[in-house]
Amino acid sequence: EVQLVESGGGLVKPGGSLRLSCAASGFTFSSYSMHWVRQAPGKGLEWVSSISGSASDIYYADSVKGRFTISRDNAKNSLDLQMDSLRAEDTAVYYCARDSSPVRIFGLIQDYFDFWGRGTLVTVSS
Amino acid sequence: SSELTQDPAVSVALGQTVRITCQGDSLRSYYASWYQQKPGQAPVLVIYGKNNRPSGIPDRFSGSNSGNTASLTITGAQAEDEADYYCNSRDSTTDHWMFGGGTKLTVL
Repeated sequence: EVQLVESGGGLVKPGGSLRLSCAASGFTFSSYSMHWVRQAPGKGLEWVSSISGSASDIYYADSVKGRFTISRDNAKNSLDLQMDSLRAEDTAVYYCARDSSPVRIFGLIQDYFDFWGRGTLVTVSS
Repeated sequence: SSELTQDPAVSVALGQTVRITCQGDSLRSYYASWYQQKPGQAPVLVIYGKNNRPSGIPDRFSGSNSGNTASLTITGAQAEDEADYYCNSRDSTTDHWMFGGGTKLTVL
């Protein structure tokens, strides 16, 4: 059974740092790209960052680029998100999600987030 | 920048059919995937690809794609389908992922 469990959330002051982790189990972690997705209180889902299985490809949303760093440890089946220079607008529940792996079907690419963790709450406030 | 557009809210009578749409240029390259989210819970994948349901998702959920528009259809909506629904795809130019703004479905 695929399981993703986030940890590391909490209360932090503006300008501070926090490191989130996602513990993965039930699948060959190194074979899958992984994502961080966040949801501010009462708002919609926002993609934050992605990392390929080998960590060779990394992407960030413009809203976090230069402040957040995604990484993974395939030996420990762990995904991390280092968040620096935090702002009030970074307050959200942060989810890790597994990528299904892209497949081209009938001319379009099929790719999706097939498993999600329960999330961890990050609150940025003075 | 590329984005996905959804109607903020839709309502449907119990047992009737409802369609939730998602528009965006990225859908000309990537299939949309659809996620259901109930209050206080993590999103759950309900439709992916051309029209595929993960194990455990009722067959009243279906999807379709045409040009820059993807649709999620619930045929015979149930009370438990009341939730927020989000579409998702990827920008083939930037490789960034994106979500639609979400559609709040009310079952009357």
